[in-house]
Amino acid sequence: DTAVSQTPKYLVTQMGNDKSIKCEQNLGHDTMYWYKQDSKKFLKIMFSYNNKELIINETVPNRFSPKSPDKAHLNLHINSLELGDSAVYFCASSLLPGDTQYFGPGTRLTVL
Amino acid sequence: AQSVTQLDSQVPVFEEAPVELRCNYSSSVSVYLFWYVQYPNQGLQLLLKYLSGSTLVKGINGFEAEFNKSQTSFHLRKPSVHISDTAEYFCALANSNSGYALNFGKGTSLLVTP
Repeated sequence: DTAVSQTPKYLVTQMGNDKSIKCEQNLGHDTMYWYKQDSKKFLKIMFSYNNKELIINETVPNRFSPKSPDKAHLNLHINSLELGDSAVYFCASSLLPGDTQYFGPGTRLTVL
Repeated sequence: AQSVTQLDSQVPVFEEAPVELRCNYSSSVSVYLFWYVQYPNQGLQLLLKYLSGSTLVKGINGFEAEFNKSQTSFHLRKPSVHISDTAEYFCALANSNSGYALNFGKGTSLLVTP
């Protein structure tokens, strides 16, 4: 019955690798988000999709590419991983932009 | 541009004492305001939100916050804290300028001790 789920929960990888994080919501929401939480716990928006269309794309390196195959899923693919990509990545969803956002449990990415 | 400032990075408090976590915001357009809580190694959980209407907002776990437009503040309060309230608390705003994505403050770490 998890509302917003993410896989994997932990991801440890080497510099230069390519990895993906998956997010799924079963709330019937139209809007999904990716946030990054750095080592100082600061949270920053990366992307937002509404009805599978990209509506927010903050200043994020091109190595990060979100993909929304349907309204219930928003995946994050990262190419050529760098040390600075180490962080916790949170997926969230809301019924509409501006509504309450419900967060997933997070994916802790460690780049060695 | 919009911003959220949480004035205290850490707030230590004794169990059963009252607490106030301060949040100020800046925005050129009308805002929605939120408080989220993050327990260790977990995701974020909504405590309460202000969208419009009554400026005093009540949330879960006995928390409440008051929206003050003239002082651009949205401080979080609880009259009596428990050990289990120990967590990181984030104030956030959303508005049309940000596409309604959440713009977070840097967080306040609440530490409740016996």
